[in-house]
Amino acid sequence: AQRVTQPEKLLSVFKGAPVELKCNYSYSGSPELFWYVQYSRQRLQLLLRHISRESIKGFTADLNKGETSFHLKKPFAQEEDSAMYYCALSGEGGKLIFGQGTELSVKP
Amino acid sequence: DAGVIQSPRHEVTEMGQEVTLRCKLISGHNSLFWYRQTMMRGLELLIYFNNNVPIDDSGMPEDRFSAKMPNASFSTLKIQPSEPRDSAVYFCASSLQPRQPQHFGDGTRLSIL
Repeated sequence: AQRVTQPEKLLSVFKGAPVELKCNYSYSGSPELFWYVQYSRQRLQLLLRHISRESIKGFTADLNKGETSFHLKKPFAQEEDSAMYYCALSGEGGKLIFGQGTELSVKP
Repeated sequence: DAGVIQSPRHEVTEMGQEVTLRCKLISGHNSLFWYRQTMMRGLELLIYFNNNVPIDDSGMPEDRFSAKMPNASFSTLKIQPSEPRDSAVYFCASSLQPRQPQHFGDGTRLSIL
């Protein structure tokens, strides 16, 4: 079965602290994974794509096939990072299977 | 490009009424996806099209929901008759091709009274 699990509904950190948003997936083929971010009442925006291996807004994510994980990390959180973060798996035909989302709250 | 454009942004209507949500794809994109977002169930794929052809509609809740792509740049999602449990934010997204990054619209916030 194709599934994405984000175990934390809410993650609260202080500004400047490191952040790790967890994502685990279940997929029999070769996965394509994404992180999307949704700021308050705005549209979902693509944050990262695993094949790009890039850093966006200081965030990085590494695909670990052994652990079937694609955790999102940032060494120093900023208040403007507060948002909902969705991990997504591209399944058959390109349809995205989303995790339940993690709300990141960065306190001053 | 203005991105994916959805209309209306908000819709409030009484149960039993027909609701039509609209989506304009980014020019040149060939894949179109409709999602529904609720607090309880998160983001769920309802249906997606590739080159105007519906590929997978297994996420459509029931026969009251239907979606069409009358041309390559436009899609509608219709609910008839609407029910209070249909209240949600409905997102449309498009991509160049399947498995390419999807670009989302601002969503339609639907409230059925």
